[in-house]
Amino acid sequence: ETGVTQTPRHLVMGMTNKKSLKCEQHLGHNAMYWYKQSAKKPLELMFVYSLEERVENNSVPSRFSPECPNSSHLFLHLHTLQPEDSALYLCASSQASSTRWTGELFFGEGSRLTVL
Amino acid sequence: DAKTTQPNSMESNEEEPVHLPCNHSTISGTDYIHWYRQLPSQGPEYVIHGLTSNVNNRMASLAIAEDRKSSTLILHRATLRDAAVYYCILRGTGGFKTIFGAGTRLFVKA
Repeated sequence: ETGVTQTPRHLVMGMTNKKSLKCEQHLGHNAMYWYKQSAKKPLELMFVYSLEERVENNSVPSRFSPECPNSSHLFLHLHTLQPEDSALYLCASSQASSTRWTGELFFGEGSRLTVL
Repeated sequence: DAKTTQPNSMESNEEEPVHLPCNHSTISGTDYIHWYRQLPSQGPEYVIHGLTSNVNNRMASLAIAEDRKSSTLILHRATLRDAAVYYCILRGTGGFKTIFGAGTRLFVKA
């Protein structure tokens, strides 16, 4: 138990569906991250929120839409995805200031997404 | 962002020490060296980090070269539970980017 909980753990969706991934952290951190881990590829940073503001967006396609309503919750809204978007989506949190991280990353167990 | 280079895989016997190397020749003076590991079907977990001096914690030791261009993660007695992918990453003091490489897959034989 890392203190970062992701739901659902597994998701299968068609290319025309709209779904959301949820992440919740119970560590009192103020920065949250979305990473993508595809088969045989390194983890790719997608988005970072610090103090509830988006501070990093690594050229992610607009079919992925993040939302951070408060410092404990992070969502990734998915719509009109492609089969190549199938991957493990990992959420992480850390302490941070407004301009940089200040503590180690704590990861959830991930949401395994399959796009048919 | 500075990059790291690690061997693709390593093998160890159970209860023997393991030395996992990492090269980071383009490291800047303010980059911290972090190690994470990812067990099967789990997200990565923090192992240890350091800046210049060697570091010890309950999980492992981190030996940092004097010129900081390389480091070694030391597991003092490998167990089957230590079989995982180990990532060596550099975290700068500005911004939030944390770039993971391919890591080293550690196999532990009983």
